[in-house]
Amino acid sequence: GESVGLHLPTLSVQEGDNSIINCAYSNSASDYFIWYKQESGKGPQFIIDIRSNMDKRQGQRVTVLLNKTVKHLSLQIAATQPGDSAVYFCAENKTGGYQKVTFGTGTKLQVIP
Amino acid sequence: DVKVTQSSRYLVKRTGEKVFLECVQDMDHENMFWYRQDPGLGLRLIYFSYDVKMKEKGDIPEGYSVSREKKERFSLILESASTNQTSMYLCASSPDSDEQFFGPGTRLTVL
Repeated sequence: GESVGLHLPTLSVQEGDNSIINCAYSNSASDYFIWYKQESGKGPQFIIDIRSNMDKRQGQRVTVLLNKTVKHLSLQIAATQPGDSAVYFCAENKTGGYQKVTFGTGTKLQVIP
Repeated sequence: DVKVTQSSRYLVKRTGEKVFLECVQDMDHENMFWYRQDPGLGLRLIYFSYDVKMKEKGDIPEGYSVSREKKERFSLILESASTNQTSMYLCASSPDSDEQFFGPGTRLTVL
């Protein structure tokens, strides 16, 4: 079946190190991918997105990489800070119809001071 | 900044009660969404609306209904609450672009 999933449920990273959060998707028709961050007690917050005609996109301290060949998405956070501790979701947007996003189950990032 | 507000942060109801969850957005967005979030299952789409008085079923609409009488307001209704509807409920809105803006969530407990 079609799914959006994450390789690791929990990731612990030392403060100042780089973090890499991975995501696999199976729907080759998806053409838009999003990373969200959800802090404890809050709703998800958009971080960065990428369309299928790109393989890399950079934001402030974050980079998203898309490998369509193996249907893999990753979020890289540079110089991880305690404020980065949260659950991160990848999501895919299926083509056609009205906007509808399918979310993965999430990866919890723990930053060790 | 876009602001999406939800009427309650925490709600406790009894089995069989009718429950209303309200969501309001202040950015004139066309699209609004209701999700539930459960451990290990991520966010699952219940209903969405792309215009006033328009609604579309999401992945898990059973046991829920929605109302969109005004553009800024999208209500989720549990006609007869059941214990398996205990969950975190998240509302979101978006303009024509793909990014969604989420509210803080309502944690509903059905006893």
